[in-house]
Amino acid sequence: AQKITQTQPGMFVQEKEAVTLDCTYDTSDPSYGLFWYKQPSSGEMIFLIYQGSYDQQNATEGRYSLNFQKARKSANLVISASQLGDSAMYFCAMREGSGSSNTGKLIFGQGTTLQVKP
Amino acid sequence: GAVVSQHPSWVICKSGTSVKIECRSLDFQATTMFWYRQFPKQSLMLMATSNEGSKATYEQGVEKDKFLINHASLTLSTLTVTSAHPEDSSFYICRGSLPGGIYGYTFGSGTRLTVV
Repeated sequence: AQKITQTQPGMFVQEKEAVTLDCTYDTSDPSYGLFWYKQPSSGEMIFLIYQGSYDQQNATEGRYSLNFQKARKSANLVISASQLGDSAMYFCAMREGSGSSNTGKLIFGQGTTLQVKP
Repeated sequence: GAVVSQHPSWVICKSGTSVKIECRSLDFQATTMFWYRQFPKQSLMLMATSNEGSKATYEQGVEKDKFLINHASLTLSTLTVTSAHPEDSSFYICRGSLPGGIYGYTFGSGTRLTVV
């Protein structure tokens, strides 16, 4: 069965520094997608970055990059130059399958609360 | 981009009453809508998957008679919490699936339900 694990319940980072949020996953499907979402206190889910299982390069989106290590089944999120507005809960999620086998279902990790200190 | 509008943002209701939450896809046709529930400082738990024109598929442990899901059109899916009780107080959020494309997973803004 598929599983997503985030082992850091809470993290602190100093403003302007980089931070890495950990995510490991387990799946038997060779085709899958990995997502990171940010959830501020307002509750909305903000899509940050996506990595496909067959993507050769690590995904990057502005200050966000995904450190994808397929053999280790990890997909850590790196936030560079942290800002106060980055304080939020962050979720790693996995979608199994692609094409006709893609149900669209996302499974979420437990989440990591990030607090950026001024 | 694809937008899912969710209403209401928050609602307080009396125990025993029913509450309806709506999710509308504004600029695309969401053939599939996923409904999640989230308790404070916890993860999102999938409750059910609804496809337009067919019955919803509920996850194990979710009471289908209590959480009624209707997906009558490609742009509207509703979740009705029937005979609500204080333990149903939670954050409910929907996610629309846009056919094709890896980014076709747009969330609504969520609904905070408080049952008193």
